[in-house]
Amino acid sequence: QKEVEQNSGPLSVPEGAIASLNCTYSDRGSQSFFWYRQYSGKSPELIMSIYSNGDKEDGRFTAQLNKASQYVSLLIRDSQPSDSATYLCAVKDNAGNMLTFGGGTRLMVKP
Amino acid sequence: DTAVSQTPKYLVTQMGNDKSIKCEQNLGHDTMYWYKQDSKKFLKIMFSYNNKELIINETVPNRFSPKSPDKAHLNLHINSLELGDSAVYFCASSQPGRGRSPLHFGNGTRLTVT
Repeated sequence: QKEVEQNSGPLSVPEGAIASLNCTYSDRGSQSFFWYRQYSGKSPELIMSIYSNGDKEDGRFTAQLNKASQYVSLLIRDSQPSDSATYLCAVKDNAGNMLTFGGGTRLMVKP
Repeated sequence: DTAVSQTPKYLVTQMGNDKSIKCEQNLGHDTMYWYKQDSKKFLKIMFSYNNKELIINETVPNRFSPKSPDKAHLNLHINSLELGDSAVYFCASSQPGRGRSPLHFGNGTRLTVT
């Protein structure tokens, strides 16, 4: 069974710090990787996608992918209290039909 | 607005009842999904339809029956509701075949079975 693993947290960081969120996946053939942010009581919203090994930066967010280690991470620079949410890692299968989610990491940014 | 919309937003019902949740997307996507998110926030796929055809059916009780009248709609009917069915149900859509297409989620339906 394809699995996506995340530390449930909570991960607590002070405002202005770098938050580092990690995710591992079991399906070596996976090609597409996504990070979603979910505020309490809301639906998941896409914040980053990454498909190639290395880093991808978008504003304060950087996604990192290492397919050999089956590892994907999300860095949030200059963390703000508004970043406090649950971050869901998602991996798409080879056929491109199914997105499997990790259990999410709850991030708390303290002012 | 282009979006995935689902109704109702909240659903409170008693055990044994039958209820339906409706979902519509106007993004022109071919694939639609139902996900269940339990109290521990774990988001698990239930069903996926591609252009009205069922392509993913995870281990879900037979009491759950999806129906897709056209590729823009995917409804979920639940028979004989049980306490354990209480969760948030999310509808989503994407464009398959292009593996890079992310999911677009509806706002969710919070189902409470008493």
